[in-house]
Amino acid sequence: EVQLVESGGGLVQPGGSLRLSCAASGFTFSSYAMSWVRQAPGKGLEWVSAISGSGGSTYYADSVKGRFTISRDNSKNTLYLQMNSLRAEDTAVYYCAKVVVPAAIGCMDVWGKGTTVTVSS
Amino acid sequence: QPVLTQSSSASASLGSSVKLTCTLSSGHSSYIIAWHQQQPGKAPRYLMKLEGSGSYNKGSGVPDRFSGSSSGADRYLTISNLQSEDEADYYCETWDSNTVVFGGGTKLTVL
Repeated sequence: EVQLVESGGGLVQPGGSLRLSCAASGFTFSSYAMSWVRQAPGKGLEWVSAISGSGGSTYYADSVKGRFTISRDNSKNTLYLQMNSLRAEDTAVYYCAKVVVPAAIGCMDVWGKGTTVTVSS
Repeated sequence: QPVLTQSSSASASLGSSVKLTCTLSSGHSSYIIAWHQQQPGKAPRYLMKLEGSGSYNKGSGVPDRFSGSSSGADRYLTISNLQSEDEADYYCETWDSNTVVFGGGTKLTVL
């Protein structure tokens, strides 16, 4: 069974840092690009970042560029999101998702259950 | 970059059909999109990939009641024989070489 399990969310003060992880299983992890998508309370889905299967290419939404870093460890089948300089507006449920279209960064066919990040003093 | 426009809400009766629309911005009418369903309190679920030709590929386990079609810059999701569990938010998604975009979502109410 294809599965994605996020972890690492929590309560953090403005300006603080947090590292999210996403453990993947049931598919050849290194063959697929992966993305992080977030959803603020009561709002829609917002794409955050994506990374190619090899990890050699990374992509970011303007809202997080320079503050967040996406990475992956294909030997551990794990995706990461390092979040620095956190702001109140980063408060959201963060989902990791697998990309189904080869050589693309969109079209997410498997989603994790999400991990909640709250930025508040 | 592309922009996706969705109506904020829709409603239809139990057992009937509904057609949700996602419109691509000017200059992006050929783009492929994906449809996702998000039931209350749950993670999104991938429904299908839909091309400008109208050809679509559904995700694993997606019921036959769900289908896709296209016309110009519009991408449609049709749900037939509406069930109570179809009450959810529906999002379209598209992408280019360095960004991914979601529509604002349509909240579907099953009456």
